[in-house]
Amino acid sequence: GQQLNQSPQSMFIQEGEDVSMNCTSSSIFNTWLWYKQDPGEGPVLLIALYKAGELTSNGRLTAQFGITRKDSFLNISASIPSDVGIYFCAGHPSGTYKYIFGTGTRLKVLA
Amino acid sequence: DAGVTQSPTHLIKTRGQQVTLRCSPKSGHDTVSWYQQALGQGPQFIFQYYEEEERQRGNFPDRFSGHQFPNYSSELNVNALLLGDSALYLCASSLGQFSGNTIYFGEGSWLTVV
Repeated sequence: GQQLNQSPQSMFIQEGEDVSMNCTSSSIFNTWLWYKQDPGEGPVLLIALYKAGELTSNGRLTAQFGITRKDSFLNISASIPSDVGIYFCAGHPSGTYKYIFGTGTRLKVLA
Repeated sequence: DAGVTQSPTHLIKTRGQQVTLRCSPKSGHDTVSWYQQALGQGPQFIFQYYEEEERQRGNFPDRFSGHQFPNYSSELNVNALLLGDSALYLCASSLGQFSGNTIYFGEGSWLTVV
């Protein structure tokens, strides 16, 4: 099935470091969503973006809706051990009721 | 505020059998979408229900069917199970008739086909 490109695929970082990840598409999207998924659980919504250029924060997390509407970025500042998990982006194509998800970024934090 | 609830959480079925998964949407939501998540992959859209009608379907065979009830809860049925149907099945709820609304997921139902 169709999936968006997420980068990086996985990363190890030290506690306290900042993290950046992105999601790119060949298509234009109207909405971008970012989720975190822990093992054995459903994805939990982190941030929702509805407009090109929009920058939204949720605590230590900041996400941006790319100007071209084909990409989105998520930053985590001062990472902590509980940030470990898989982060997914999801984009909503115009004229549909579905979301297309990224391949995921697996984050591992070293204490 | 009740979130999205799904049942059962885990189940094991044999090839060729049929399975029914259930979902109650988040309080106040009226739209339910179902996604399949294979191990190591992102969720894939199966279909969405609004006002008891399927209004969009993803690239899944007719063996996958669903239903939405007047109280907005929903069922996902899969017939003639294949080994490849083993996955986490996620229900997502949202509010309203418009597309692009934020969706909230339940914990999922883990289906293993043996």
